[in-house]
Amino acid sequence: DGGITQSPKYLFRKEGQNVTLSCEQNLNHDAMYWYRQDPGQGLRLIYYSQIVNDFQKGDIAEGYSVSREKKESFPLTVTSAQKNPTAFYLCASKAQGSPLHFGNGTRLTVT
Amino acid sequence: AQSVTQLDSHVSVSEGTPVLLRCNYSSSYSPSLFWYVQHPNKGLQLLLKYTSAATLVKGINGFEAEFKKSETSFHLTKPSAHMSDAAEYFCVVSDAGNNRKLIWGLGTSLAVNP
Repeated sequence: DGGITQSPKYLFRKEGQNVTLSCEQNLNHDAMYWYRQDPGQGLRLIYYSQIVNDFQKGDIAEGYSVSREKKESFPLTVTSAQKNPTAFYLCASKAQGSPLHFGNGTRLTVT
Repeated sequence: AQSVTQLDSHVSVSEGTPVLLRCNYSSSYSPSLFWYVQHPNKGLQLLLKYTSAATLVKGINGFEAEFKKSETSFHLTKPSAHMSDAAEYFCVVSDAGNNRKLIWGLGTSLAVNP
């Protein structure tokens, strides 16, 4: 079945450590997105990529980095510079003219 | 500027009764409007979308929404709630075809009581 796989489902890290969240899709979608979701809030866009080897900052990119070396993969690194990294992270992809498809998310807890 | 307001942060209904989740938007352009559902600790799933075709949009799981330009509303309804409908619902507005400009509502938590 086609879809988006985010791993791991739960992730725990110590403050000051970088951590990378995985997102893989086999939908052959060109565009991929990372969102952050906090309790009682809508989704906020971190980074997006419309094509391989190209990506753009979203609304809250500070403290995050991404790469898009392959069409299928769009990993997100949460760096130690991110002041409040504990959140639920959602990866999405889309084809031209179609709505977003979401993965099941990764819940990151930093202590 | 575009914005979206979900008028209720929490809605509670009894199983078998109608569901109404309210959403108002503002947009300078012809908007695309979406409703997404999120079950606990899961990703989001598209329920339905409006993209300037029929104003009454039917979605999955028996949900539908009506685009009312005069009221700038896009309320989500279902005639009869099921226990499995308990989830968080998000109303989203965007420039037609431009998901970079998605504006998300803060969500409405739907509880379904037996």
